[in-house]
Amino acid sequence: NAGVMQNPRHLVRRRGQEARLRCSPMKGHSHVYWYRQLPEEGLKFMVYLQKENIIDESGMPKERFSAEFPKEGPSILRIQQVVRGDSAAYFCASSPREREWFFGPGTRLTVL
Amino acid sequence: GQQLNQSPQSMFIQEGEDVSMNCTSSSIFNTWLWYKQDPGEGPVLLIALYKAGELTSNGRLTAQFGITRKDSFLNISASIPSDVGIYFCAFRGGGSEKLVFGKGTKLTVNP
Repeated sequence: NAGVMQNPRHLVRRRGQEARLRCSPMKGHSHVYWYRQLPEEGLKFMVYLQKENIIDESGMPKERFSAEFPKEGPSILRIQQVVRGDSAAYFCASSPREREWFFGPGTRLTVL
Repeated sequence: GQQLNQSPQSMFIQEGEDVSMNCTSSSIFNTWLWYKQDPGEGPVLLIALYKAGELTSNGRLTAQFGITRKDSFLNISASIPSDVGIYFCAFRGGGSEKLVFGKGTKLTVNP
């Protein structure tokens, strides 16, 4: 059973461009979470999704950030018009039933 | 908001020594988890705790969920070089599906 998959592992964008981060949960997991990690910091919750539904987006900035988890395909975290402050590692986690959370390897976003 | 204090921030030990780190919170919680993160990788789940007072082992690792449900500790016995990394505690509060992470304990093991 493959773990949580994320791609790309590294993403470089110029200010103003869009960043799309993908996450494929573990097989059988219907809950997906996105977290952001700044250097020397812990992970900060952004959004929690189930298939076709956003359950909790309390940690996600109101502007420029959006997330989806369609019926088919991976979950997408989209950042529009990126700024330097968006540079961070973005991690996706999946869970079968809100009891254990398994993290992917992360996408390291660098905004030039 | 919910506060989580993790200590120590960093530890430098000799191979073979035992290690202890802990987390305390301002509120009570239902679930405590301990993760290890290697450089450039995602956190890997080490131990999950679901009941107050619960003591769980995973190889050389032992973790306990405090009886007050406000704290947890992680012990590593007989440390080895591959134990190097950052250890995070995380909790999940009642009614919330999100995990709140501590700032981590950076462990260095000298051979």
